[in-house]
Amino acid sequence: DAGVIQSPRHEVTEMGQEVTLRCKPISGHDSLFWYRQTMMRGLELLIYFNNNVPIDDSGMPEDRFSAKMPNASFSTLKIQPSEPRDSAVYFCASSLESSGGSSYNEQFFGPGTRLTVL
Amino acid sequence: GNSVTQMEGPVTLSEEAFLTINCTYTATGYPSLFWYVQYPGEGLQLLLKATKADDKGSNKGFEATYRKETTSFHLEKGSVQVSDSAVYFCALNFNKFYFGSGTKLNVKP
Repeated sequence: DAGVIQSPRHEVTEMGQEVTLRCKPISGHDSLFWYRQTMMRGLELLIYFNNNVPIDDSGMPEDRFSAKMPNASFSTLKIQPSEPRDSAVYFCASSLESSGGSSYNEQFFGPGTRLTVL
Repeated sequence: GNSVTQMEGPVTLSEEAFLTINCTYTATGYPSLFWYVQYPGEGLQLLLKATKADDKGSNKGFEATYRKETTSFHLEKGSVQVSDSAVYFCALNFNKFYFGSGTKLNVKP
């Protein structure tokens, strides 16, 4: 099993540019999560999908952020326009929620994308 | 609501010392509890978990017991190694994951 795959691993861009982060969840998992990690705020849940449908996007900081999951094997997180305060590590995670009750299952994290906005 | 509180770091220990990282939780029901570990430059990895009261999760010498009466899930290891240096996150899952703020552990040789 390849695990959760994220790309790119590192992204450096200039303020105002559009940034797209990509995630491939573990095959067979039905839930996908986007997190942001910073020193100041720790680990924050941005949005999560179940069966490709956004369930909770209350953590998305503002309209500059958007996320899509067009199919079960791919998701994107887009920032447009990017700002220096968006600099962080962005993690994607997936889990299997539908089997055995959703509270028992662990989340599997990708290696993260380190975003730097200059 | 649901939340997790864990001790502030960093925690600095010498190799072979005993480790405790405290974690307490608040939940509206009966959650599952987890410890995740994050090594430098990597994503979070599951370290251990417990799904009901009095369960003990264990892995790689680490242990934590689900204590319903004290709403706690403290992480312990009898003898830490330099390779255990990482950030440790306590989490609960009750229809949604809630992570603690993380505790950085530094182990010196």
